[in-house]
Amino acid sequence: GENVEQHPSTLSVQEGDSAVIKCTYSDSASNYFPWYKQELGKGPQLIIDIRSNVGEKKDQRIAVTLNKTAKHFSLHITETQPEDSAVYFCAASISPQAGTALIFGKGTTLSVSS
Amino acid sequence: DAGVIQSPRHEVTEMGQEVTLRCKPISGHDYLFWYRQTMMRGLELLIYFNNNVPIDDSGMPEDRFSAKMPNASFSTLKIQPSEPRDSAVYFCASSNIRELYQETQYFGPGTRLLVL
Repeated sequence: GENVEQHPSTLSVQEGDSAVIKCTYSDSASNYFPWYKQELGKGPQLIIDIRSNVGEKKDQRIAVTLNKTAKHFSLHITETQPEDSAVYFCAASISPQAGTALIFGKGTTLSVSS
Repeated sequence: DAGVIQSPRHEVTEMGQEVTLRCKPISGHDYLFWYRQTMMRGLELLIYFNNNVPIDDSGMPEDRFSAKMPNASFSTLKIQPSEPRDSAVYFCASSNIRELYQETQYFGPGTRLLVL
């Protein structure tokens, strides 16, 4: 089955710096890669996703890149702000196979200090 | 829309007691997922339903865990008897996959369970 590895487990940056979180996956059939942000006491929320037919996707200060050959994908946050502090999870699944479960990485705790 | 609703938000119980967690998915969503989150194991999928039918329960840790979805707007996750190692945050999520590329899973706020 699919296995998703996520690094680093913790990341501390200064406000305004960039943050990069990396994930690798094992199943070459996986083609849908979402990223979730979890704030303290809340459930994970989708912030961006990418499909295997796309190499990069941007949404304001966040971007995700995918390297299918190497089976890794990364989340990039630019101009970090204190409100970006949270736990970030990457995930992988086979889509659009209906209902395919997301396999999550272990999470990265991002701390942005002002 | 109110989003995914879970109750209770917090539950403290004693070992051996029955625990029932409840979830109301987003109206119109046809998939419902139950996850467990712990520091050691991260987010684990326990079971998921499609149109109220369980599709994959391979993540359910043991027979003490059971889940039901009697209708499209309600699901329960039951632990009987509960054990201290069941202490975790349990999340419910739902999604609507009728349309292509609409598989985003929306998570509820979670139930924090502590078994003493």
